[in-house]
Amino acid sequence: GAGVSQSPSNKVTEKGKDVELRCDPISGHTALYWYRQSLGQGLEFLIYFQGNSAPDKSGLPSDRFSAERTGGSVSTLTIQRTQQEDSAVYLCASTQKTSGTDTQYFGPGTRLTVL
Amino acid sequence: AQSVAQPEDQVNVAEGNPLTVKCTYSVSGNPYLFWYVQYPNRGLQFLLKYITGDNLVKGSYGFEAEFNKSQTSFHLKKPSALVSDSALYFCAVRSSSGTYKYIFGTGTRLKVLA
Repeated sequence: GAGVSQSPSNKVTEKGKDVELRCDPISGHTALYWYRQSLGQGLEFLIYFQGNSAPDKSGLPSDRFSAERTGGSVSTLTIQRTQQEDSAVYLCASTQKTSGTDTQYFGPGTRLTVL
Repeated sequence: AQSVAQPEDQVNVAEGNPLTVKCTYSVSGNPYLFWYVQYPNRGLQFLLKYITGDNLVKGSYGFEAEFNKSQTSFHLKKPSALVSDSALYFCAVRSSSGTYKYIFGTGTRLKVLA
């Protein structure tokens, strides 16, 4: 079927505003990951979801960041009270299962700019 | 703690010449190693992975990588570079035990010159 999709593709917001980023994984994929890609800093793990298990939130940089995954499918990453250092590309990836041997399929990302 | 190092921010190579993009890692337990490529304005695409078995892994677009346990390296190679190989390359590692967290390197920009 279709690949991983993310929306919006670009988001410009003012400092202090809240933003929501959406990820639609590949149908049937049970694991979903969020990453942040900042210039010169590679991909930073944020959070992952696996089925109905509790998510691993260990990569979230502050309590302003949260994510949920409804019905084991669509995920939303929320950033409250955005700061300029939140500006980055936010990437979502899904895999069929988390055996570690499975390929992650990435979405095109959401470019967030905080003014 | 897991970590990945890509010591070169950029690699330049002439078209037709062999290319190498370096990656070293640190992980407890056995490593699962991956290479991804990111073309301009596109998402990351899987190239190849090492899980177990033969140390030389072959992947998409003619790329290959060699797992070297003693040197904790997983360098990406291609015998003859193409201009279309110009992109940003990321190495990633996951431990075979415990967390399902993947750690990515900072990326190496490959520029193939015509």
